[in-house]
Amino acid sequence: GENVEQHPSTLSVQEGDSAVIKCTYSDSASNYFPWYKQELGKGPQLIIDIRSNVGEKKDQRIAVTLNKTAKHFSLHITETQPEDSAVYFCAASRVGSSNTGKLIFGQGTTLQVKP
Amino acid sequence: NAGVTQTPKFRVLKTGQSMTLLCAQDMNHEYMYWYRQDPGMGLRLIHYSVGEGTTAKGEVPDGYNVSRLKKQNFLLGLESAAPSQTSVYFCASSPRLAGTGELFFGEGSRLTVL
Repeated sequence: GENVEQHPSTLSVQEGDSAVIKCTYSDSASNYFPWYKQELGKGPQLIIDIRSNVGEKKDQRIAVTLNKTAKHFSLHITETQPEDSAVYFCAASRVGSSNTGKLIFGQGTTLQVKP
Repeated sequence: NAGVTQTPKFRVLKTGQSMTLLCAQDMNHEYMYWYRQDPGMGLRLIHYSVGEGTTAKGEVPDGYNVSRLKKQNFLLGLESAAPSQTSVYFCASSPRLAGTGELFFGEGSRLTVL
């Protein structure tokens, strides 16, 4: 089955710097890759997602890139702010197969933005 | 505008006791899910439902049972709790299957099994 590895497990940056979180997946047929942000005491919330027919997607200070050949995708946060401090999860899924409905999550990255 | 509501938020059990976690959503979503979150392991799918009256196994279903008698509710049961089931449990719902769009999560239920 699908396996998603996420690195680093913790990341500390200065306010205003960029942060990058990377994920690799094992199933070459995976075609949907969302990123979730989990603030303390809350449930995860979708912040951006990308499908395999797109190499990059941006939403203000957040961007996701996908390299299908290498089977990895990354979350980029620019001009980080203290409110970006949270746990971030990547995930992968194979849409359109018997496996549909099973979103496999990475282990999570705790991002700390120091003011 | 409640979204996904989980009860209880905290519970302490003794080994062998049983309990039920309740998840309720008011968004008329077809699909509902139970995940567990453990340090360093991300979120793992326990069971899910693709509609009222249906359930299916996820990655880690052993030791858990679920029921979806009403569209808006998804119950997670532990018949005989074990310390390995100490975790934070999240319920989620979605208008489409998890691999095709956004999941809406509750705030979690922290369960400790002594």
